[in-house]
Amino acid sequence: DAGITQSPRYKITETGRQVTLMCHQTWSHSYMFWYRQDLGHGLRLIYYSAAADITDKGEVPDGYVVSRSKTENFPLTLESATRSQTSVYFCASSVRGQGESPLHFGNGTRLTVT
Amino acid sequence: QKEVEQDPGPLSVPEGAIVSLNCTYSNSAFQYFMWYRQYSRKGPELLMYTYSSGNKEDGRFTAQVDKSSKYISLFIRDSQPSDSATYLCAPRGGSEKLVFGKGTKLTVNP
Repeated sequence: DAGITQSPRYKITETGRQVTLMCHQTWSHSYMFWYRQDLGHGLRLIYYSAAADITDKGEVPDGYVVSRSKTENFPLTLESATRSQTSVYFCASSVRGQGESPLHFGNGTRLTVT
Repeated sequence: QKEVEQDPGPLSVPEGAIVSLNCTYSNSAFQYFMWYRQYSRKGPELLMYTYSSGNKEDGRFTAQVDKSSKYISLFIRDSQPSDSATYLCAPRGGSEKLVFGKGTKLTVNP
């Protein structure tokens, strides 16, 4: 099925552990994005990528690492998880940059850091 | 002042009601205005997209932008229980920066 898939859907990890959230899209969209959604803050951009091997910081990049070796994949790594990174993480893709074309979101990964 | 302000609600209305969802923004550079709809436990999906001031209608939905007062509205006519979701406004400026409002949670009761 075409679309954008995030895995896992739910993840519980401990403080200090490294965790990677996966994102895969089948549309061959150039742009991919990682957002986090928290009560009281709404959606905030963590990192985005305009193409394979091109990534850039968003509003809240500290503590996160991304890579994009292939157009279709855009994993997000929390190098040493903290409780403040407990959140719902959404991956999105689009044909063009933010707002120039619709963002297509995955269904999110709910991460709990204990 | 936050760039985008949106009343989080929750907003509860009876089926068939006209719903008005609103956002205000502070950045006069915003030119493109989007509304995303997010169902529970799902990712947001684009609902409406407008450029500059004026109205845009799509079925039961009307998006309205008043740039002079920096006010964005989404109207839902003949609301249905299936419209129950969180609605996010998202203006964008020429710098390619897209800013999301915090969202308004709407419940339409049968």
